[in-house]
Amino acid sequence: QSVLTQPPSVSAAPGQKVTISCSGGSSNIGSNYVSWYQQLPGTAPRLLIYDNNKRPSGIPDRFSGSKSGTSATLGISGLQTGDEADYYCGTWDSSLSGVVFGGGTKLTVL
Amino acid sequence: EVQLLESGGGLVQPGGSLRLSCAASGFTFGYYAMTWVRQAPGKGLEWVSAIGGTGGRTYYADSVKGRFTISRDNSRNTLYLEMTSLRAEDTAKYYCSRDGYSNYWYVDYWGQGALVTVSS
Repeated sequence: QSVLTQPPSVSAAPGQKVTISCSGGSSNIGSNYVSWYQQLPGTAPRLLIYDNNKRPSGIPDRFSGSKSGTSATLGISGLQTGDEADYYCGTWDSSLSGVVFGGGTKLTVL
Repeated sequence: EVQLLESGGGLVQPGGSLRLSCAASGFTFGYYAMTWVRQAPGKGLEWVSAIGGTGGRTYYADSVKGRFTISRDNSRNTLYLEMTSLRAEDTAKYYCSRDGYSNYWYVDYWGQGALVTVSS
């Protein structure tokens, strides 16, 4: 059971937009910044979003992040088949003195 | 170019020990905190341990506390994870990763991972 809660799966058609939620509590999302990671099949994770809504260089602006209270959201617009992957949220938990991840969300582009 | 290369994975019997290494290049290693994250087969990401840039601060997940030890040698640009009393549930791919340069945690670079299998 992950400390952060994500939907197990989401799906949408190519070109559409999808959002992935990440729900936590006051000791993690509520008091720290959230990052998001994409893991394509058989590969290492890759940073998509950090500090709630910032994109590293090389990440297209189709990917966006937001945070409100104890929840965060990853948005992906203009979906492409190459976006099919597992997506994870992560943050520091001040009560646990450690990092917590969501359980991951599998994105299917129909 | 930032590169992280893990080594030392393999098959070990329950109760055994193993040491993972992560050779870092392409950045000033001692400036960055580092993190180990693992992923059991078919499962999600699990944070294992982190260490500050100087090695003075270390953090562990409850699942490995007392059994795993994280360390670093900044003169060799290398991160380590010493794993003892290994259990079947420690079977996973272990990723070495670099923490972002921020007041808040995130990882900006990941290695390709080292597979650890605990089985008799």
